[in-house]
Amino acid sequence: GENVEQHPSTLSVQEGDSAVIKCTYSDSASNYFPWYKQELGKRPQLIIDIRSNVGEKKDQRIAVTLNKTAKHFSLHITETQPEDSAVYFCAASDPGGYNKLIFGAGTRLAVHP
Amino acid sequence: DTAVSQTPKYLVTQMGNDKSIKCEQNLGHDTMYWYKQDSKKFLKIMFSYNNKELIINETVPNRFSPKSPDKAHLNLHINSLELGDSAVYFCASSPNMNTEAFFGQGTRLTVV
Repeated sequence: GENVEQHPSTLSVQEGDSAVIKCTYSDSASNYFPWYKQELGKRPQLIIDIRSNVGEKKDQRIAVTLNKTAKHFSLHITETQPEDSAVYFCAASDPGGYNKLIFGAGTRLAVHP
Repeated sequence: DTAVSQTPKYLVTQMGNDKSIKCEQNLGHDTMYWYKQDSKKFLKIMFSYNNKELIINETVPNRFSPKSPDKAHLNLHINSLELGDSAVYFCASSPNMNTEAFFGQGTRLTVV
């Protein structure tokens, strides 16, 4: 089955800096890669996603890149703000399961004013 | 309007008890899930249902029994609760394969 690894586990940046979170996946047949943000005590919420037929997708300060050959994808947050502080999860669809998402272990991002 | 709602939000119970968590979605989605988030924040799928039928059972102890009376509801019943069952349980739904999963607000289960 699919396996997703995520790095780093914690990330601390100054407000205004960029943050990058990286994930690798194991199954080359996976074709859907969402990113979720989970604030303290809240539910995970989708912030951006990418499909395997696209190499990059951007939404304001957030971008995701996908390298199918290397089987890795990354989340880029520019001009970070304190409200970006949260746990971020990458995920990959398991091609063997019915829309089963396999999550990475999460990255706790802290943005300091 | 809450898209995916689950109750209760908090549940504190003693070891050995039986408890249920309810989940309802008003999005018209065909697929519903239960995820478990442990103390280290790791999110792991437990079950997936599509149109009331069990699709995925991820090696979960048989003390956990999901029930889907219709495709808008997926409840989770847990028998003989153990300390290790303490976690946050999230219900989620999605319209079909390879699309966004919408999560409920979570149920924090504490077994004492």
